[in-house]
Amino acid sequence: AQSVAQPEDQVNVAEGNPLTVKCTYSVSGNPYLFWYVQYPNRGLQFLLKYITGDNLVKGSYGFEAEFNKSQTSFHLKKPSALVSDSALYFCAVRDMSGKLIFGTGTRLQVFP
Amino acid sequence: KAGVTQTPRYLIKTRGQQVTLSCSPISGHRSVSWYQQTPGQGLQFLFEYFSETQRNKGNFPGRFSGRQFSNSRSEMNVSTLELGDSALYLCASSLTSGSTNTGELFFGEGSRLTVL
Repeated sequence: AQSVAQPEDQVNVAEGNPLTVKCTYSVSGNPYLFWYVQYPNRGLQFLLKYITGDNLVKGSYGFEAEFNKSQTSFHLKKPSALVSDSALYFCAVRDMSGKLIFGTGTRLQVFP
Repeated sequence: KAGVTQTPRYLIKTRGQQVTLSCSPISGHRSVSWYQQTPGQGLQFLFEYFSETQRNKGNFPGRFSGRQFSNSRSEMNVSTLELGDSALYLCASSLTSGSTNTGELFFGEGSRLTVL
């Protein structure tokens, strides 16, 4: 069965520093991977996706993610964190039936 | 272009009652999915509708049901509410459906249900 794991419940980073939010996946076949962000009392907003092609995917708000097939990872990154990036981040994979399976989420806290 | 619209945004019900939540997808989107979000269970898939047909269903009891209309708007219903049904219910739309769908889901802001 397809699944994703987000090993960190929370990530803390100082403003201006680079950030990484980790995600590993388990799929049979080619993975369709996604990152979403959720601000308090809001729905999920799409950040970026990997379908095929370049392993470095660029997305919204300066975020990017690196697809690593050998490590089955799809970590979310940003070169310089902003306080406004503080939110809940979800990694997701599309399963064989077409639905998205989400990770448990990682809370990102950026300190000024 | 308008986003996914969910109504109501907040509602309070008591145990045993039923509730109906509504979702209007982005214009042109034919697939609507529903998710339940709770602090303990995270995001759990409820069901997906495409062209008025249920295409996929998660592991929820029969008290949870849904439907989709010809204009792609969708409703979900929960009958005989339990305290554990308190959650944020999220609706998402996409252009297509199925395992070859490479498109992202677009989410509404959710309906927050509190069961007392």
